[in-house]
Amino acid sequence: NAGVTQTPKFRILKIGQSMTLQCTQDMNHNYMYWYRQDPGMGLKLIYYSVGAGITDKGEVPNGYNVSRSTTEDFPLRLELAAPSQTSVYFCASSMDPGYEQYFGPGTRLTVT
Amino acid sequence: AQRVTQPEKLLSVFKGAPVELKCNYSYSGSPELFWYVQYSRQRLQLLLRHISRESIKGFTADLNKGETSFHLKKPFAQEEDSAMYYCALIMMDGNKLVFGAGTILRVKS
Repeated sequence: NAGVTQTPKFRILKIGQSMTLQCTQDMNHNYMYWYRQDPGMGLKLIYYSVGAGITDKGEVPNGYNVSRSTTEDFPLRLELAAPSQTSVYFCASSMDPGYEQYFGPGTRLTVT
Repeated sequence: AQRVTQPEKLLSVFKGAPVELKCNYSYSGSPELFWYVQYSRQRLQLLLRHISRESIKGFTADLNKGETSFHLKKPFAQEEDSAMYYCALIMMDGNKLVFGAGTILRVKS
């Protein structure tokens, strides 16, 4: 049982490039989330999903896109990377929002 | 709007001293609150939920609806408690959490 896995661990992008951050969970959780963590700002929700085929915007969705074609996978797409997207990105999943969210190890992204 | 405020970015205490990490929230209704912790080089993980009324690693948190607070307390800090602590609140739609900015706890020997 691997829990929540994220790839890559680190990535450096040039301005204007695009990439996909991968997130997979093997706990059969319906709820999945993408956060970004910036120093002094805490965790901000980018997008979330309540089940396969259903996604919704969080607090800071601009510049990102998601899809949820399966229960297990919830990739985050960055189009036209900007320096403001330099951050640590965390994926999480939960059985129910009232229960524990399980977090992945994070992806450290730098856009220069 | 639902909001979680953690007023201290950094809290530094000596080993054996009491710890109180502050969390205030704004919410109309019955809130569900959590404390999450991130130790160095580890994943963010749940520490405790107010609904469970439990003590984890010696930490407790009491919901005070009058003061809209959910402070995290421990009577005697240990060095291994050094970590980033986040307070979180379930949003009214019930689908997601809103996190505070986090407080770094440093326990000095």
